[in-house]
Amino acid sequence: KAGVTQTPRYLIKTRGQQVTLSCSPISGHRSVSWYQQTPGQGLQFLFEYFSETQRNKGNFPGRFSGRQFSNSRSEMNVSTLELGDSALYLCASSLDGQGAGETQYFGPGTRLLVL
Amino acid sequence: GDSVTQMEGPVTLSEEAFLTINCTYTATGYPSLFWYVQYPGEGLQLLLKATKADDKGSNKGFEATYRKETTSFHLEKGSVQVSDSAVYFCALSDYGGATNKLIFGTGTLLAVQP
Repeated sequence: KAGVTQTPRYLIKTRGQQVTLSCSPISGHRSVSWYQQTPGQGLQFLFEYFSETQRNKGNFPGRFSGRQFSNSRSEMNVSTLELGDSALYLCASSLDGQGAGETQYFGPGTRLLVL
Repeated sequence: GDSVTQMEGPVTLSEEAFLTINCTYTATGYPSLFWYVQYPGEGLQLLLKATKADDKGSNKGFEATYRKETTSFHLEKGSVQVSDSAVYFCALSDYGGATNKLIFGTGTLLAVQP
């Protein structure tokens, strides 16, 4: 079974631009979560989607948004990029996100550099 | 709110040494606990997990026991290898509703020297 895939793997943008990152979950998984990883803040939860609905959201500004499609693929968008948005963005999928201890499987991440 | 605290790194060991990475948590509910590992340039891989008190998770020679009385989930391995060099993250998922949000510790870098 193919793992979680994320595209693109690397991205360079300038301040003020917007960016869209894509995530394809493991086949059959319906829950997709996004995390931001930075040296200063570590791993922080952005949001989770299930059945095309945002089920939970972390403490990030409204510039960060996402969506999920009917095939469970997910995208996240960051508008008006700031230097501090430079990070590794990780996507994780799980079956339905409702079982205690349900395992989340992570993709390789998209490394975003904002200049 | 819920949180995870793990020991600062880096941890530098010689091959075949014993490894312990400490992890403690704060949670209002009944969390599940995880250890994830991140190799350079890669995403996170689940190493092991435990879903209730006194459960022991194990994988690839690594072990961790869910200790509710001390709110801890320390990672141990009896004999580390150079290939174990990576960053290790302790995490919790406080299953109290329809979400499986993970809360991570800051990560501990392990460097194993031959």
